[in-house]
Formats: sequence, C-alpha cells, structure tokens
Amino acid sequence: DAMVIQNPRYQVTQFGKPVTLSCSQTLNHNVMYWYQQKSSQAPKLLFHYYDKDFNNEADTPDNFQSRRPNTSFCFLDIRSPGLGDAAMYLCATSIQSGTINEKLFFGSGTQLSVL
Amino acid sequence: QKEVEQNSGPLSVPEGAIASLNCTYSDRGSQSFFWYRQYSGKSPELIMSIYSNGDKEDGRFTAQLNKASQYVSLLIRDSQPSDSATYLCAVNYILTGGGNKLTFGTGTQLKVEL
Repeated sequence: DAMVIQNPRYQVTQFGKPVTLSCSQTLNHNVMYWYQQKSSQAPKLLFHYYDKDFNNEADTPDNFQSRRPNTSFCFLDIRSPGLGDAAMYLCATSIQSGTINEKLFFGSGTQLSVL
Repeated sequence: QKEVEQNSGPLSVPEGAIASLNCTYSDRGSQSFFWYRQYSGKSPELIMSIYSNGDKEDGRFTAQLNKASQYVSLLIRDSQPSDSATYLCAVNYILTGGGNKLTFGTGTQLKVEL
C-alpha cells in the first residue's frame, strides 16, 4: 500500500540526454515536492506544487523543470543532465500548507546516474 | 540563508547504550522540527517531530528542543544495530506560496556496534 511511488528506482542516462523521473501519490495531497540529495549531502528542495501552482526555488538551475498534469502525478524533467546532476531525487507530498505540524511523506526515491 | 547544522560523525555507540544526536539551526523564528532516519540508498523516514520547548518521548526515542539556544537533539535509548543509519535534522518553514519547506542538515551517521 505504497502511498508515494517513484519510478524508476534507478535511472541511468547519458550526459546531455533528457530524462524524466515520475512520482505518483494515492494520498490526494495538495502539495508535491521534488528534493535533490547528492551523496553525503542534505536533501535540497528544487521546487514544489501547491495544487497547480508551481513554485521554484531561487537557486534551482533552469535545467530542471517539472510538470503536474493532475493531483496524483508529478514529473521531474532534466533537460540536459550533467555529471553533477547524479543524485537521489526524492518526491514528497503534504496535505496542504500553512501549519507548523505539516508532515511530508517521501517516496522511495530515484537514484540517477549520468554517464 | 537558513541553516541547519549537524555533526557528520560517525557516532559510534555500543549496543544497548544511549545515542545522542545534536542539531543547531540559524533561524530564531523556526517553529517546528523533525528528525528523519535514512538508511543508505533509501529515502528519509520520519522518526519524531517536536514543536514546543522540552522533551517529547516516543518509545526508545526522545526529542529535545531548546528554542532559546536554537538547539534540537534526539536521544535513542537501548541502541540496536538496526538503528545504524544517518539521522537528518530538519526545520520546517511555511512557504508564502503554499506548502512547507523542510531545510535539512547534512545528517549524523550513527553506528551501533555489537
């Protein structure tokens, strides 16, 4: 009964070849997030959707884009992956917003390798 | 820049001992704090949340918060080898555009030795 599902678990792409990571949720949460976690580093928020509203972090490179076609699905597109984009990409959801006790539910992550 | 600082470790403790993990944060206005456990190659798993000064206990885990000192800690009693993981401290910020942003520390690696 997985609630936040990320596919694939491992993704290998070539330098400069576009890649898409997917996330789906069965929780009917309004908010979906994408985090990037490089080896031995803290997870870093790339962007999030509050319903259909897209919110980009100021330091997220233009190379990263996202789509949320409906409540259940969210995609992370990397237009031209570089070697430095190899990381674990974590999708998370939360119910809504504006509360201090809002909890995030993480998917199992997609480990991206760039060759 | 809102920061969360943790000692990267590794912190080694013998089985059955108390493990003490510490975290400091820079934004004095922060209101909610979370501890996540992350096994190698896996996603973070929520262990504890704390919002008020003092202690909060849940089984073998106790979270401690001191807002005046901007300090959060996690105590793990009767440590087990299965507790060996990286523990991430996270501070929650409410976003003006909707949603919540967790700012994570880099984590402390805990090793529980037999």
